[in-house]
Amino acid sequence: DAGVTQSPTHLIKTRGQHVTLRCSPISGHKSVSWYQQVLGQGPQFIFQYYEKEERGRGNFPDRFSARQFPNYSSELNVNALLLGDSALYLCASSLAEREGHYNEQFFGPGTRLTVL
Amino acid sequence: DAKTTQPPSMDCAEGRAANLPCNHSTISGNEYVYWYRQIHSQGPQYIIHGLKNNETNEMASLIITEDRKSSTLILPHATLRDTAVYYCIVRVKISNFGNEKLTFGTGTRLTIIP
Repeated sequence: DAGVTQSPTHLIKTRGQHVTLRCSPISGHKSVSWYQQVLGQGPQFIFQYYEKEERGRGNFPDRFSARQFPNYSSELNVNALLLGDSALYLCASSLAEREGHYNEQFFGPGTRLTVL
Repeated sequence: DAKTTQPPSMDCAEGRAANLPCNHSTISGNEYVYWYRQIHSQGPQYIIHGLKNNETNEMASLIITEDRKSSTLILPHATLRDTAVYYCIVRVKISNFGNEKLTFGTGTRLTIIP
C-alpha cells in the first residue's frame, strides 16, 4: 500500500516567489496536516484539514495557506517567500475515523524547499 | 499540551538496550505520552504511546513513572537502523475529528554504535 506521498521532493525558489506543495494522503485517510521543519529543530505544526475544512492552524503568517480537495489531497501555498522559509515541509495524514479516538498520523517524506 | 524535556543526544552499542528518558513534570491527567522517531531525511514515524501503564509493542516498550512526570522509551535490542532523532510528545488523546496537532520539541539524537 502506498504511504503518504508528497511532490516535489526538492524545490529551489528565490525570495519573493510563490510555491505550491502537494500531498496525497494514504487511501481512506480524511485528515491532512502540514508541518515545517527547519534544520536542527523538530517539526512545527502549520495547518490541519479534515473534510476540506481547516481544523487547526499554527503560529504562521498569512503568507501560508492551504486547502484540501474532495479526494482528500492537499496543497500548501506560501507567498512572498523569505529566506527563513527554507525548510523541510512535511505532510501527515490520519484516518480521523471516529471522534474521541486518537488517530495516528502517518508522515510523508517531505518536500525540501530552499529559498535563495 | 505539556512541555517535555529530553537529552539532546545519546549513544548506544548495537545489540544493547537503548533507554531514552523524557521529563514531563507538568503533564495533566488526560494527557498521554507519545513517542515518534525521525530517521534522517524521512518523515517522523509513530512508535508507541501510553497513559500510565507500561506499554509494549513490536518496536519498543514505554515505561511511565507512577507520578507520570517522566517516562522512558526502551528499544530492547538496538540496531544500526534505530539511529534517529526520537521525540517525546505529551498531548490529550481525545480527538475532535482531525484536531490532532503534534507539538514536537528538539528530541534526542540516538546514535547506535557498531
